[in-house]
Amino acid sequence: AQSVTQLGSHVSVSEGALVLLRCNYSSSVPPYLFWYVQYPNQGLQLLLKYTSAATLVKGINGFEAEFKKSETSFHLTKPSAHMSDAAEYFCAVSPTGKLIFGQGTTLQVKP
Amino acid sequence: DTAVSQTPKYLVTQMGNDKSIKCEQNLGHDTMYWYKQDSKKFLKIMFSYNNKELIINETVPNRFSPKSPDKAHLNLHINSLELGDSAVYFCASSQDPQGFKGYTFGSGTRLTVV
Repeated sequence: AQSVTQLGSHVSVSEGALVLLRCNYSSSVPPYLFWYVQYPNQGLQLLLKYTSAATLVKGINGFEAEFKKSETSFHLTKPSAHMSDAAEYFCAVSPTGKLIFGQGTTLQVKP
Repeated sequence: DTAVSQTPKYLVTQMGNDKSIKCEQNLGHDTMYWYKQDSKKFLKIMFSYNNKELIINETVPNRFSPKSPDKAHLNLHINSLELGDSAVYFCASSQDPQGFKGYTFGSGTRLTVV
């Protein structure tokens, strides 16, 4: 069965510091991978997606993620954190017709 | 001009009641979904419909009944509400059943059963 593991339920960074949110997947077939962000009391917004094209995927708000098949990883990064990046981040894999989400990572940005 | 809209945004009700949540998308997508987010923020799919036809039913209690009158609408009816049904319910849509082009989510309905 396909699954997603997000390492670290809570990540805290200083404003201006590098953001790294980790995601590992398990999939028997080439996966489609997604990162979503959820701001407090809001729905999920797509940050970026990997669909077997370029392994380095650029998304919105300065985020990017690199698909590494050898490591079964799809970590999310941003060079410089902004206060507005504080939110819940979900990695997800899409096998046949549904999204399977990781447990989520809360990103805290300290001034 | 909201892409995926859900109503109501908040719903507080007593145990045993029956309630419905409505969802509409104006994206022209063929596939719609219901996801449940529990108190630990874990998200899990409940149902998906493609062009009004049920394609995924993830072992959800039969107290939950989705209804799709047309491909732009997917409503969720819940009978005999229980405390454990308290959660945030998200509607979503995608252009294709595999979701290869991504999914668009509504802003959620926070259901509280008291």
